[in-house]
Amino acid sequence: KQEVTQIPAALSVPEGENLVLNCSFTDSAIYNLQWFRQDPGKGLTSLLLIQSSQREQTSGRLNASLDKSSGRSTLYIAASQPGDSATYLCAVTYYNTNAGKSTFGDGTTLTVKP
Amino acid sequence: EAQVTQNPRYLITVTGKKLTVTCSQNMNHEYMSWYRQDPGLGLRQIYYSMNVEVTDKGDVPEGYKVSRKEKRNFPLILESPSPNQTSLYFCASSLAGTSGGVLNEQFFGPGTRLTVL
Repeated sequence: KQEVTQIPAALSVPEGENLVLNCSFTDSAIYNLQWFRQDPGKGLTSLLLIQSSQREQTSGRLNASLDKSSGRSTLYIAASQPGDSATYLCAVTYYNTNAGKSTFGDGTTLTVKP
Repeated sequence: EAQVTQNPRYLITVTGKKLTVTCSQNMNHEYMSWYRQDPGLGLRQIYYSMNVEVTDKGDVPEGYKVSRKEKRNFPLILESPSPNQTSLYFCASSLAGTSGGVLNEQFFGPGTRLTVL
């Protein structure tokens, strides 16, 4: 059974700090990995998508990396702001016999204090 | 505007009363999927569809049905809802890769909050 783990479950940092969120997955036969942001009671907003052949993707202050061999992805947030406070989720999709299946981590709830 | 729409957004119903949650996308995506989100359990995949007339079970399909008669629509059917199906439901869509995977980023609908009494 594919598993996706996100550690830590919660993180609190002062404004301006750089931080890293972690995502680990057990099945290396991934098609891609996507990072999302979810505000309380809201839907999911896509942040970054990394294809299995890529090592990293960047968007503004966000940088996501992927290491398939170790089953890990990280989301780096530079110069954090209070508006970054949200839950961050990673999701893995697969190919071959599990093509179309998608597994989410439980998320890391980030609080950025002014 | 490219989007995934879900209806209704909120629904309170009673045990055993059949209901359908609709999902529609206007991006010509082949892939569509349903998830439920529960506190402490995260987001779990219910069913997905790689294209018209092709559907497959996700991790928690029990008690749900889906159909994919048209590319843009992927309704979720609860034939006999029970209280343990009280949850926040999300529909998502994406392009499908030629090798069968989910090619691109998944776009999510706004969610449907379902309460079964």
